[in-house]
Amino acid sequence: NAGVMQNPRHLVRRRGQEARLRCSPMKGHSHVYWYRQLPEEGLKFMVYLQKENIIDESGMPKERFSAEFPKEGPSILRIQQVVRGDSAAYFCASSLQSEYEQYFGPGTRLTVT
Amino acid sequence: DQQVKQNSPSLSVQEGRISILNCDYTNSMFDYFLWYKKYPAEGPTFLISISSIKDKNEDGRFTVFLNKSAKHLSLHIVPSQPGDSAVYFCAAGSGTYKYIFGTGTRLKVLA
Repeated sequence: NAGVMQNPRHLVRRRGQEARLRCSPMKGHSHVYWYRQLPEEGLKFMVYLQKENIIDESGMPKERFSAEFPKEGPSILRIQQVVRGDSAAYFCASSLQSEYEQYFGPGTRLTVT
Repeated sequence: DQQVKQNSPSLSVQEGRISILNCDYTNSMFDYFLWYKKYPAEGPTFLISISSIKDKNEDGRFTVFLNKSAKHLSLHIVPSQPGDSAVYFCAAGSGTYKYIFGTGTRLKVLA
C-alpha cells in the first residue's frame, strides 16, 4: 500500500536549465496537487490536476512552469529556465476525491546554483 | 495577506504534558480544517481534521477544537511524547481542494 511517491528527492540545476519533478499518487487516487514551500514559509498551492486535465493552476507562475498528469504515468511538474528563486521544496499530494484529505509525498528539494 | 496564521513559530513542552498548538484564520468561508505533522526531509503527514459543523474532534492523543466565532482552532496533544517533536501545520479550506496552510509551529517535546 505505497503512499505518494516523488522523485527525485533532491535535484540540483544550474540557472537556465530545466527541472522535471515526478509524482505518483497513492493507489486509487486520481486527484493530484502540487505545492511549493519556500524556507520559513507554509506550503503554497500551485496546481490541481486530474487525469489528463488541469483543473486549477491559479497558484502556478504564468511563465516557465507547467504541469501535466497523463493518462498513463506520473504527474510531472516542469520548470523551464530555472532561476535561483525557484529553489524550494516541491510537494505533491493526492486525494481520493477533491474535498477529501490530501496525502503528501516526501517532496523534491530543488536547488538552483 | 495571510489568511491562516500560526503565530507561535516554536513551542517546547515537557514529555507527558499537554501540547497546545494554535491557529487563527481570517476567512469566514473556511469550513474545513486540517492539521499536518512534518518531520525534517519528509512530506507532511495528515493528523486530524474538523468540519465547521463540529467544535471538537478527537483521535487518540490528538484533539482539535474549533471556535468559529473567534476564527480560531487548536490542536491538543495529550500526553506529549518525544516522537511528537516536529513542525505542525494547520490548513483551512472551503469545501474544496484549495487549502491555505499556515507557516507552521515547531514543537519540541523534552524528555
